[in-house]
Amino acid sequence: KAGVTQTPRYLIKTRGQQVTLSCSPISGHRSVSWYQQTPGQGLQFLFEYFSETQRNKGNFPGRFSGRQFSNSRSEMNVSTLELGDSALYLCASTSISGQETQYFGPGTRLLVL
Amino acid sequence: SQQGEEDPQALSIQEGENATMNCSYKTSINNLQWYRQNSGRGLVHLILIRSNEREKHSGRLRVTLDTSKKSSSLLITASRAADTASYFCATDGIGQGAQKLVFGQGTRLTINP
Repeated sequence: KAGVTQTPRYLIKTRGQQVTLSCSPISGHRSVSWYQQTPGQGLQFLFEYFSETQRNKGNFPGRFSGRQFSNSRSEMNVSTLELGDSALYLCASTSISGQETQYFGPGTRLLVL
Repeated sequence: SQQGEEDPQALSIQEGENATMNCSYKTSINNLQWYRQNSGRGLVHLILIRSNEREKHSGRLRVTLDTSKKSSSLLITASRAADTASYFCATDGIGQGAQKLVFGQGTRLTINP
């Protein structure tokens, strides 16, 4: 099976812009979670989607949003970008069998100037 | 804020030696997982240990879990240069949702040839 894929891999934006990141889970996986990784805060949970519904959410401002499509692909959007949003954004998928192991994609590295 | 703390933050050893990393967490958990990350890339799942397990092995990896002390350790035996990476523990707190992982700050492991 192909692994989790994320696009784009690298992105440069300026403050105030918005950005949309995409994640395609492993085939058959219905849960997609998003994480932000920064040198200062480490890895932090953003949100999780299952069957097109947000099932869990971390402590991030409303500028961070996401959605999931019927084919389980997920997107996350960050509006009104701030310098502090520069980070590696990772998505992970989990199978429907309830296994806890999350399989991570390579990440999208976002730089906000 | 991060729930997990890892110790040491950085570890440098010679190839062939064993490497031990420790992780502490704050709340009751369902499972604890260890992940590896190479140079800011995606996370690779190494091993999952459930809260009712005390020790688990996978190849050269040995993980222990002490729920009374809320701590875990990862031992890599006979280290290789390819083991150079950052290692993270991640927990899913009871009632938090299995896909909402809380990560430690990680241990940066360097294997010197």
